[in-house]
Amino acid sequence: AQSVTQPDIHITVSEGASLELRCNYSYGATPYLFWYVQSPGQGLQLLLKYFSGDTLVQGIKGFEAEFKRSQSSFNLRKPSVHWSDAAEYFCAGGTSYGKLTFGQGTILTVHP
Amino acid sequence: DAGVIQSPRHEVTEMGQEVTLRCKPISGHDYLFWYRQTMMRGLELLIYFNNNVPIDDSGMPEDRFSAKMPNASFSTLKIQPSEPRDSAVYFCASSLTLGTGSGYTFGSGTRLTVV
Repeated sequence: AQSVTQPDIHITVSEGASLELRCNYSYGATPYLFWYVQSPGQGLQLLLKYFSGDTLVQGIKGFEAEFKRSQSSFNLRKPSVHWSDAAEYFCAGGTSYGKLTFGQGTILTVHP
Repeated sequence: DAGVIQSPRHEVTEMGQEVTLRCKPISGHDYLFWYRQTMMRGLELLIYFNNNVPIDDSGMPEDRFSAKMPNASFSTLKIQPSEPRDSAVYFCASSLTLGTGSGYTFGSGTRLTVV
């Protein structure tokens, strides 16, 4: 079955530290992959997406993600976290013919 | 475009009452999705429409839930009668296609509290 897994429910980092949020996928073929961010009381906002080509994709707010086929992963990274990055992050996967599947989300807490 | 618009933002109702949540998708988007988000179950897809037609309602929890899309610019999710366990944030999202290169655009959600 097609699935997207986020192994970490909650991550805490200090402001200014680097960040990596994990996402693993299980699809028969290379899926479309997305990262969304949800700030408190808000809807989900698209951060970045991967379809094909360059495996390192840049998104908004200084985020990037790297597609690694050998590890079935699409981890989200940011070199230096800001307090405003505290939110919940969702990884999602889809195909050209099916609906998106969302991971369970990772809550990011940023300490000053 | 103003994005996906949901109303109301917050709804508090008593158990047994009917609740109607509303959504206006982005103009030109052919797909509309209703999601429910809770701490316990995360983000669940309830139902989605293509060109106003319900395609997959397998996520609708039970007969108390119904969704309609009378035209391309409006959809409703109704709960009748409501129960405390229906308390959640309900999101509407729209998309150009199902298997989409653009992802889904989400509304800000309706926070429902059933007391």
